[in-house]
Amino acid sequence: SQQGEEDPQALSIQEGENATMNCSYKTSINNLQWYRQNSGRGLVHLILIRSNEREKHSGRLRVTLDTSKKSSSLLITASRAADTASYFCAASSGAAGNKLTFGGGTRVLVKP
Amino acid sequence: KAGVTQTPRYLIKTRGQQVTLSCSPISGHRSVSWYQQTPGQGLQFLFEYFSETQRNKGNFPGRFSGRQFSNSRSEMNVSTLELGDSALYLCASSFPGSETQYFGPGTRLLVL
Repeated sequence: SQQGEEDPQALSIQEGENATMNCSYKTSINNLQWYRQNSGRGLVHLILIRSNEREKHSGRLRVTLDTSKKSSSLLITASRAADTASYFCAASSGAAGNKLTFGGGTRVLVKP
Repeated sequence: KAGVTQTPRYLIKTRGQQVTLSCSPISGHRSVSWYQQTPGQGLQFLFEYFSETQRNKGNFPGRFSGRQFSNSRSEMNVSTLELGDSALYLCASSFPGSETQYFGPGTRLLVL
């Protein structure tokens, strides 16, 4: 079963606009990660935020984490057509190792 | 460094057959995880291997199995294929102590 839900399921924006997507999860986590997937290909790691962090930036990406609400958000600023992809949050929790529990994903379409 | 490679990239099988998928991690990575991605269930964790030992396991039936070799390459096997096993199978590797996973392009399996 999936750890969380992502909202919205799909998003359509114009180039240059910002895109925001949210993720909720169910159990306590060690960290939360965001991945991008282009057209059914492999996933690309974007950013990782640990449970004791509240906000993290990487280039045009900004991630926030609210452990009290068990939620995270990913903001992509000044979007480009190349940002068109599906975005997934993934929770790492529990025992040692690299088991990720993914959300359902947000499909983002950036129109030129 | 070469990325994670998966072979074959595409596979067509019929119900009842078995299949073996292969994953070669990035050099130096010792953890290999496998995920199944379907439109209905999304991305689901299958299992993780580290130093030839299964370290984590998801909620899949025993028809799904895996192994890891001394060079960290991993294989997963699905026996007695069912139509519902049609999916994109992704493997991911990570460096010891790192929580970031690097995904391969996936093997798309179609069961007829």
